[in-house]
Amino acid sequence: DGGITQSPKYLFRKEGQNVTLSCEQNLNHDAMYWYRQDPGQGLRLIYYSQIVNDFQKGDIAEGYSVSREKKESFPLTVTSAQKNPTAFYLCASSIAGLHTNTEAFFGQGTRLTVV
Amino acid sequence: AQRVTQPEKLLSVLKGAPVELKCNYSYSGSPELFWYVQYSRQRLQLLLRHISRESIKGFTADLNKGETSFHLKKPFAQEEDSAMYYCALSQDGGATNKLIFGTGTLLAVQP
Repeated sequence: DGGITQSPKYLFRKEGQNVTLSCEQNLNHDAMYWYRQDPGQGLRLIYYSQIVNDFQKGDIAEGYSVSREKKESFPLTVTSAQKNPTAFYLCASSIAGLHTNTEAFFGQGTRLTVV
Repeated sequence: AQRVTQPEKLLSVLKGAPVELKCNYSYSGSPELFWYVQYSRQRLQLLLRHISRESIKGFTADLNKGETSFHLKKPFAQEEDSAMYYCALSQDGGATNKLIFGTGTLLAVQP
């Protein structure tokens, strides 16, 4: 079954703890993205990666970190430095390189709640 | 500044009525715009992109550079069109999927 998978679906974290959100894709896509969604707001870009072992900050990268050691995986760590971590997190992937206007495929999302 | 504005949080129409979901953008270059849709309990997915000039599920969207708009239209709404719709703008002219999203409009089609 091809697609992009995020886990877990729901995640609870105590204040001051780091937590890692998983994102895996088997679509053979080079590019992967992390977005954050808050109530009443659109999705905002956290980090993105166009190729393995390379990634760039998006619009709201502070308090987050990522790695891209494998093409299939792009985990997001929400650190204790993130002041408002409670949100819905969406991972996406797409073709990269010379292609333009390609479709972004999204995961089902992870809802993170800080307690 | 790059921005996407969807002024309506909720749009409620009757089945068979025309639908127009508004989207305005701010972008200094040549914009690449998309409409994404999220049906209940499904993941966010691409509905259409302006460069393709396509009609998907009866929806069309025309880029109006003079009015900086990319409104989504359908002449006759169906109940299955009920969903959350997001307008999105590529931050780099379509080279990547670094997207700026609007806040979304919930379309509710009443029977």
